[in-house]
Amino acid sequence: GAVVSQHPSWVICKSGTSVKIECRSLDFQATTMFWYRQFPKQSLMLMATSNEGSKATYEQGVEKDKFLINHASLTLSTLTVTSAHPEDSSFYICSARLARLAVRDTQYFGPGTRLTVL
Amino acid sequence: SQKIEQNSEALNIQEGKTATLTCNYTNYSPAYLQWYRQDPGRGPVFLLLIRENEKEKRKERLKVTFDTTLKQSLFHITASQPADSATYLCALAGGSQGNLIFGKGTKLSVKP
Repeated sequence: GAVVSQHPSWVICKSGTSVKIECRSLDFQATTMFWYRQFPKQSLMLMATSNEGSKATYEQGVEKDKFLINHASLTLSTLTVTSAHPEDSSFYICSARLARLAVRDTQYFGPGTRLTVL
Repeated sequence: SQKIEQNSEALNIQEGKTATLTCNYTNYSPAYLQWYRQDPGRGPVFLLLIRENEKEKRKERLKVTFDTTLKQSLFHITASQPADSATYLCALAGGSQGNLIFGKGTKLSVKP
Protein backbone atom coordinates (compact mmCIF):
# COMPACT_ATOMS: atom_id res chain seq x y z
CA GLY A 1 0.00 0.00 0.00
CA ALA A 2 0.89 3.66 -0.12
CA VAL A 3 3.21 4.55 2.75
CA VAL A 4 4.21 8.02 3.87
CA SER A 5 6.93 8.53 6.44
CA GLN A 6 7.89 11.56 8.49
CA HIS A 7 11.11 12.33 10.24
CA PRO A 8 11.60 13.07 13.04
CA SER A 9 8.60 11.67 14.88
CA TRP A 10 9.17 14.14 17.68
CA VAL A 11 11.49 17.04 18.34
CA ILE A 12 12.12 19.41 21.23
CA CYS A 13 13.95 22.63 20.52
CA LYS A 14 14.75 25.95 22.09
CA SER A 15 12.88 29.08 21.17
CA GLY A 16 14.52 30.86 18.23
CA THR A 17 15.95 27.78 16.57
CA SER A 18 14.85 26.26 13.26
CA VAL A 19 13.48 22.77 12.83
CA LYS A 20 13.21 20.77 9.61
CA ILE A 21 10.60 18.05 9.16
CA GLU A 22 10.80 15.60 6.27
CA CYS A 23 7.89 13.89 4.56
CA ARG A 24 8.60 11.01 2.20
CA SER A 25 6.38 8.87 0.02
CA LEU A 26 8.09 5.50 0.21
CA ASP A 27 6.53 3.45 -2.55
CA PHE A 28 4.90 5.93 -4.88
CA GLN A 29 5.40 9.28 -6.49
CA ALA A 30 3.42 12.14 -5.04
CA THR A 31 2.96 15.17 -7.24
CA THR A 32 1.18 16.93 -4.42
CA MET A 33 1.88 16.91 -0.71
CA PHE A 34 -0.07 18.73 1.96
CA TRP A 35 1.13 19.99 5.33
CA TYR A 36 -1.36 20.11 8.17
CA ARG A 37 -1.11 21.24 11.77
CA GLN A 38 -3.19 19.84 14.60
CA PHE A 39 -3.58 21.33 18.08
CA PRO A 40 -4.94 19.19 20.93
CA LYS A 41 -8.59 18.24 20.47
CA GLN A 42 -8.74 20.23 17.25
CA SER A 43 -9.13 19.20 13.65
CA LEU A 44 -6.29 19.06 11.18
CA MET A 45 -5.80 22.48 9.65
CA LEU A 46 -4.15 22.82 6.27
CA MET A 47 -1.05 25.00 6.31
CA ALA A 48 0.15 24.69 2.74
CA THR A 49 0.00 22.68 -0.45
CA SER A 50 3.26 21.60 -1.99
CA ASN A 51 3.54 20.69 -5.65
CA GLU A 52 6.75 19.13 -6.93
CA GLY A 53 8.95 21.64 -8.69
CA SER A 54 6.90 24.72 -7.85
CA LYS A 55 6.37 27.08 -4.97
CA ALA A 56 4.07 26.03 -2.19
CA THR A 57 0.63 27.57 -1.81
CA TYR A 58 0.01 28.75 1.73
CA GLU A 59 -3.33 29.05 3.47
CA GLN A 60 -4.47 32.39 4.77
CA GLY A 61 -2.81 33.25 8.05
CA VAL A 62 0.19 30.95 7.56
CA GLU A 63 3.45 32.87 7.27
CA LYS A 64 5.40 31.58 4.29
CA ASP A 65 8.64 33.06 5.58
CA LYS A 66 8.25 31.23 8.85
CA PHE A 67 7.14 27.87 7.48
CA LEU A 68 9.43 27.13 4.56
CA ILE A 69 8.34 24.31 2.31
CA ASN A 70 10.50 22.59 -0.28
CA HIS A 71 9.24 19.86 -2.62
CA ALA A 72 12.34 19.10 -4.62
CA SER A 73 11.41 15.60 -5.73
CA LEU A 74 8.34 13.44 -6.25
CA THR A 75 9.04 11.58 -3.03
CA LEU A 76 10.22 14.25 -0.62
CA SER A 77 8.80 17.44 0.84
CA THR A 78 10.31 19.32 3.76
CA LEU A 79 8.79 21.81 6.19
CA THR A 80 11.19 24.08 8.05
CA VAL A 81 9.86 26.00 11.02
CA THR A 82 12.18 28.98 11.27
CA SER A 83 12.80 30.84 14.52
CA ALA A 84 10.39 28.58 16.33
CA HIS A 85 8.44 29.91 19.31
CA PRO A 86 6.40 28.08 21.96
CA GLU A 87 3.16 28.87 20.12
CA ASP A 88 4.48 26.81 17.19
CA SER A 89 4.37 23.71 19.37
CA SER A 90 1.94 21.39 17.67
CA PHE A 91 1.51 18.12 15.79
CA TYR A 92 2.59 18.52 12.17
CA ILE A 93 1.25 16.00 9.66
CA CYS A 94 1.95 15.66 5.97
CA SER A 95 -0.09 13.81 3.39
CA ALA A 96 0.53 12.79 -0.18
CA ARG A 97 -1.93 12.47 -3.01
CA LEU A 98 -1.66 9.68 -5.54
CA ALA A 99 -2.78 11.34 -8.73
CA ARG A 100 -2.39 8.25 -10.87
CA LEU A 101 -4.82 6.05 -8.98
CA ALA A 102 -8.48 5.68 -9.91
CA VAL A 103 -9.45 7.12 -6.56
CA ARG A 104 -7.11 9.96 -7.21
CA ASP A 105 -8.18 12.15 -4.39
CA THR A 106 -7.38 9.74 -1.62
CA GLN A 107 -4.65 11.12 0.55
CA TYR A 108 -2.22 9.07 2.58
CA PHE A 109 -0.94 10.56 5.76
CA GLY A 110 2.38 10.40 7.50
CA PRO A 111 2.59 9.44 11.18
CA GLY A 112 3.07 13.05 12.25
CA THR A 113 5.82 15.01 14.00
CA ARG A 114 5.32 16.34 17.51
CA LEU A 115 7.15 19.66 17.85
CA THR A 116 7.71 21.14 21.30
CA VAL A 117 9.36 24.53 21.52
CA LEU A 118 10.69 25.44 24.94
CA SER B 1 -19.17 29.88 6.00
CA GLN B 2 -18.30 26.28 5.24
CA LYS B 3 -18.47 23.91 8.18
CA ILE B 4 -17.98 20.26 8.94
CA GLU B 5 -19.37 19.16 12.26
CA GLN B 6 -19.02 15.93 14.09
CA ASN B 7 -21.55 16.55 16.76
CA SER B 8 -20.23 14.12 19.32
CA GLU B 9 -16.85 14.88 20.78
CA ALA B 10 -16.85 11.52 22.51
CA LEU B 11 -18.86 8.30 22.31
CA ASN B 12 -18.67 5.47 24.83
CA ILE B 13 -20.19 2.10 24.01
CA GLN B 14 -20.06 -1.48 25.18
CA GLU B 15 -18.14 -4.11 23.26
CA GLY B 16 -20.30 -5.90 20.72
CA LYS B 17 -22.64 -2.97 20.16
CA THR B 18 -22.85 -0.87 17.01
CA ALA B 19 -21.19 2.53 17.14
CA THR B 20 -22.77 5.25 15.02
CA LEU B 21 -20.90 8.49 14.38
CA THR B 22 -22.38 11.51 12.63
CA CYS B 23 -20.85 14.04 10.28
CA ASN B 24 -22.80 17.06 9.08
CA TYR B 25 -21.67 19.71 6.69
CA THR B 26 -22.94 23.07 5.47
CA ASN B 27 -22.21 25.17 2.42
CA TYR B 28 -20.44 22.37 0.58
CA SER B 29 -21.46 20.27 -2.37
CA PRO B 30 -18.85 17.57 -2.06
CA ALA B 31 -18.36 15.00 -4.75
CA TYR B 32 -17.33 12.56 -2.02
CA LEU B 33 -16.70 12.25 1.67
CA GLN B 34 -14.03 10.30 3.51
CA TRP B 35 -13.64 8.77 6.95
CA TYR B 36 -10.33 8.38 8.74
CA ARG B 37 -9.17 6.80 11.96
CA GLN B 38 -6.62 8.60 14.13
CA ASP B 39 -4.90 7.06 17.12
CA PRO B 40 -3.23 9.27 19.75
CA GLY B 41 0.00 10.81 18.49
CA ARG B 42 -0.44 9.31 15.03
CA GLY B 43 -1.50 10.55 11.62
CA PRO B 44 -4.94 9.75 10.21
CA VAL B 45 -5.45 6.42 8.48
CA PHE B 46 -7.85 6.26 5.54
CA LEU B 47 -10.86 4.00 6.05
CA LEU B 48 -13.56 4.64 3.48
CA LEU B 49 -14.56 7.02 0.71
CA ILE B 50 -18.15 7.41 -0.41
CA ARG B 51 -19.19 9.32 -3.50
CA GLU B 52 -22.20 11.59 -3.85
CA ASN B 53 -24.01 9.07 -6.03
CA GLU B 54 -23.52 6.28 -3.49
CA LYS B 55 -26.00 5.91 -0.68
CA GLU B 56 -24.04 3.35 1.29
CA LYS B 57 -20.65 1.70 1.35
CA ARG B 58 -19.36 -1.21 3.38
CA LYS B 59 -15.98 -2.57 4.34
CA GLU B 60 -15.88 -5.50 6.73
CA ARG B 61 -17.51 -4.22 9.95
CA LEU B 62 -17.66 -0.64 8.72
CA LYS B 63 -20.58 1.00 6.97
CA VAL B 64 -20.88 4.55 5.73
CA THR B 65 -23.98 6.31 4.45
CA PHE B 66 -24.12 9.60 2.58
CA ASP B 67 -27.25 11.72 2.34
CA THR B 68 -26.59 14.76 0.17
CA THR B 69 -30.08 16.12 0.87
CA LEU B 70 -29.54 16.09 4.62
CA LYS B 71 -25.86 16.95 4.11
CA GLN B 72 -24.96 14.17 6.46
CA SER B 73 -22.85 11.05 6.62
CA LEU B 74 -23.20 8.30 9.19
CA PHE B 75 -20.33 5.98 10.06
CA HIS B 76 -21.18 2.66 11.69
CA ILE B 77 -18.93 0.08 13.31
CA THR B 78 -20.80 -3.15 13.97
CA ALA B 79 -19.77 -5.70 16.61
CA SER B 80 -17.44 -3.10 18.08
CA GLN B 81 -14.24 -4.17 19.82
CA PRO B 82 -11.95 -2.37 22.29
CA ALA B 83 -9.40 -2.19 19.46
CA ASP B 84 -11.81 0.08 17.61
CA SER B 85 -11.24 2.76 20.26
CA ALA B 86 -9.79 5.79 18.46
CA THR B 87 -10.78 9.17 17.10
CA TYR B 88 -12.71 9.04 13.84
CA LEU B 89 -12.54 11.98 11.46
CA CYS B 90 -14.74 12.81 8.53
CA ALA B 91 -13.30 14.88 5.70
CA LEU B 92 -14.40 16.55 2.49
CA ALA B 93 -12.30 17.66 -0.43
CA GLY B 94 -13.49 21.22 -0.07
CA GLY B 95 -10.29 23.20 -0.22
CA SER B 96 -9.15 25.32 -3.14
CA GLN B 97 -6.09 23.08 -3.56
CA GLY B 98 -8.12 19.90 -3.55
CA ASN B 99 -7.09 19.45 0.05
CA LEU B 100 -9.23 17.79 2.65
CA ILE B 101 -11.25 19.76 5.18
CA PHE B 102 -11.59 17.82 8.42
CA GLY B 103 -14.11 17.71 11.21
CA LYS B 104 -12.82 17.77 14.78
CA GLY B 105 -13.40 14.08 15.17
CA THR B 106 -15.33 11.85 17.53
CA LYS B 107 -13.37 9.93 20.13
CA LEU B 108 -14.82 6.44 20.37
CA SER B 109 -14.21 4.32 23.45
CA VAL B 110 -15.33 0.70 23.38
CA LYS B 111 -15.46 -0.86 26.83
CA PRO B 112 -15.01 -4.62 27.30
